[in-house]
Amino acid sequence: NAGVTQTPKFRILKIGQSMTLQCAQDMNHNYMYWYRQDPGMGLKLIYYSVGAGITDKGEVPNGYNVSRSTTEDFPLRLELAAPSQTSVYFCASSTPGFGTDTQYFGPGTRLTVL
Amino acid sequence: DAKTTQPPSMDCAEGRAANLPCNHSTISGNEYVYWYRQIHSQGPQYIIHGLKNNETNEMASLIITEDRKSSTLILPHATLRDTAVYYCIVHNNAGNMLTFGGGTRLMVKP
Repeated sequence: NAGVTQTPKFRILKIGQSMTLQCAQDMNHNYMYWYRQDPGMGLKLIYYSVGAGITDKGEVPNGYNVSRSTTEDFPLRLELAAPSQTSVYFCASSTPGFGTDTQYFGPGTRLTVL
Repeated sequence: DAKTTQPPSMDCAEGRAANLPCNHSTISGNEYVYWYRQIHSQGPQYIIHGLKNNETNEMASLIITEDRKSSTLILPHATLRDTAVYYCIVHNNAGNMLTFGGGTRLMVKP
């Protein structure tokens, strides 16, 4: 299993540009999450999904959109990029069950908005 | 999810046991204690979790006090590759987000 994969690894955007961060998992997990991590800080939840076709906002959803058309994929869309969106973005997946809800994280996408 | 308190940093000599403490005095009865670590610039990595009994796996041991208000993660023989930020997280296993605090920055020294 590849686990959780993310592309691209790095990206530089100009203010006002848009892009999609890709995330895929091959563990057949129902739940998927997008977090962002600013320098020296912990992770904050942007959006999450409990299954195909179902998404919901996390702590910091403004400026982002998501979709979940398949179990495997959970892309994150940035519209009109702003310098405040400079961060490292992590995708994660899990299947909550009795006694466990381990989230597995991807390697991250480092985004800089100039 | 309940809040946790961890020391901001710790040092450990290579080959020695690293004992990382965590306070979670407001933990609820249905909440588990999870430990993750984040090696520089990588995604967080799951280490271990438990409810009230001590747990051990190939990576670490988790000791939870009887009143469940605190816990200790033990890396039995720390190596340089264990240098990372370690996060103690209280979580109810309901598919909610993980709440990451400041964590403990563990530096393993030769």
